[in-house]
Amino acid sequence: EAQVTQNPRYLITVTGKKLTVTCSQNMNHEYMSWYRQDPGLGLRQIYYSMNVEVTDKGDVPEGYKVSRKEKRNFPLILESPSPNQTSLYFCASSLSRGNQPQHFGDGTRLSIL
Amino acid sequence: DQQVKQNSPSLSVQEGRISILNCDYTNSMFDYFLWYKKYPAEGPTFLISISSIKDKNEDGRFTVFLNKSAKHLSLHIVPSQPGDSAVYFCAASAVGYRDDKIIFGKGTRLHILP
Repeated sequence: EAQVTQNPRYLITVTGKKLTVTCSQNMNHEYMSWYRQDPGLGLRQIYYSMNVEVTDKGDVPEGYKVSRKEKRNFPLILESPSPNQTSLYFCASSLSRGNQPQHFGDGTRLSIL
Repeated sequence: DQQVKQNSPSLSVQEGRISILNCDYTNSMFDYFLWYKKYPAEGPTFLISISSIKDKNEDGRFTVFLNKSAKHLSLHIVPSQPGDSAVYFCAASAVGYRDDKIIFGKGTRLHILP
């Protein structure tokens, strides 16, 4: 089954404690992306990757890092999380371009205390 | 600056009637538009798209209309069914701009009433 898998689905943690949200897709997609969803703000892109070792900033990259060492994986790293990064995060992938239909994971709800 | 606007946060429609969700955009460079549907506790799923060379695209009960002069698009769902209750996101992109990234609107929550 074609899917995008995010882990963990829920996490409560404290300010400053480094965390990583993993994302993996099994569709051999080249394009992967991270979004955050906040009330009243919709979905905003954090980072995206066109292919292995190719990443670029989205609209709200501050406080986040990503890596794309393998095609299937695109982890989101919060080196020093802060309360304003409390949000619902989605990973997505598409065949090769951002405007092709993207497959989304089921989301990761992060609470930073 | 909000480039993709969904001005109705929510909409209630009787089952069996037509649901019309609206979306406005400000960037005249946008030339490809998509609609996504999202259920609670799930990620968005792609619904339908339209290129700016068309003014209408239809897929079963779902039709998207594009009015380029008004910078407006709408999603029509006919007939509306209970399973259509969800949040709908409009998204737009300018082909060739920043790897074809898409800009999402804030979403419209659709309630289908029995």
